[in-house]
Amino acid sequence: DAKTTQPTSMDCAEGRAANLPCNHSTISGNEYVYWYRQIHSQGPQYIIHGLKNNETNEMASLIITEDRKSSTLILPHATLRDTAVYYCIVGMNRDDKIIFGKGTRLHILP
Amino acid sequence: EPEVTQTPSHQVTQMGQEVILRCVPISNHLYFYWYRQILGQKVEFLVSFYNNEISEKSEIFDDQFSVERPDGSNFTLKIRSTKLEDSAMYFCASSVGRWDGYTFGSGTRLTVV
Repeated sequence: DAKTTQPTSMDCAEGRAANLPCNHSTISGNEYVYWYRQIHSQGPQYIIHGLKNNETNEMASLIITEDRKSSTLILPHATLRDTAVYYCIVGMNRDDKIIFGKGTRLHILP
Repeated sequence: EPEVTQTPSHQVTQMGQEVILRCVPISNHLYFYWYRQILGQKVEFLVSFYNNEISEKSEIFDDQFSVERPDGSNFTLKIRSTKLEDSAMYFCASSVGRWDGYTFGSGTRLTVV
């Protein structure tokens, strides 16, 4: 199973930054941190991934602590369409798969 | 933006029948995957496929399941003799490289009656 710990659910006001934490204290040196989300009944959607450095793309920012034991996904200006389950996944470099956990159910409140 | 296309969107089949779920991955992607999600449960890994062979499979992916890339563009999942518990949403995904993000399709809802 996924080696990550995430809160079960979170709320965020529309227009505010949503900060989703993830603990991955047993991550090993060559494992990436991936973030996906699943909007109700749709296929999972890739958001971002990183190894050591912080990353930013058009969807989000990923902040990885220096010891790599935790990370935070930041959605800078959350909208109602960002309501979804967000999955933090540690990618095992020897395996050709990613494993989904239960994720964090993010509710964006109007 | 390139998409992973899955057909059909919904399939109803009788128990014991064979079904084939079809996927067209993104054209320059090299890694292909099938996942499933039973209603209300987690997304579960089934199988990964690279270089025309299975690279990894889960315990769910038993002898009743098979995958094929018959023509260089389609990627299919066959369930030989469906059971009621095979009812789920099946997602196909593809990626450029092994550690790149996966692009998922919108899924096929399989209902076994």
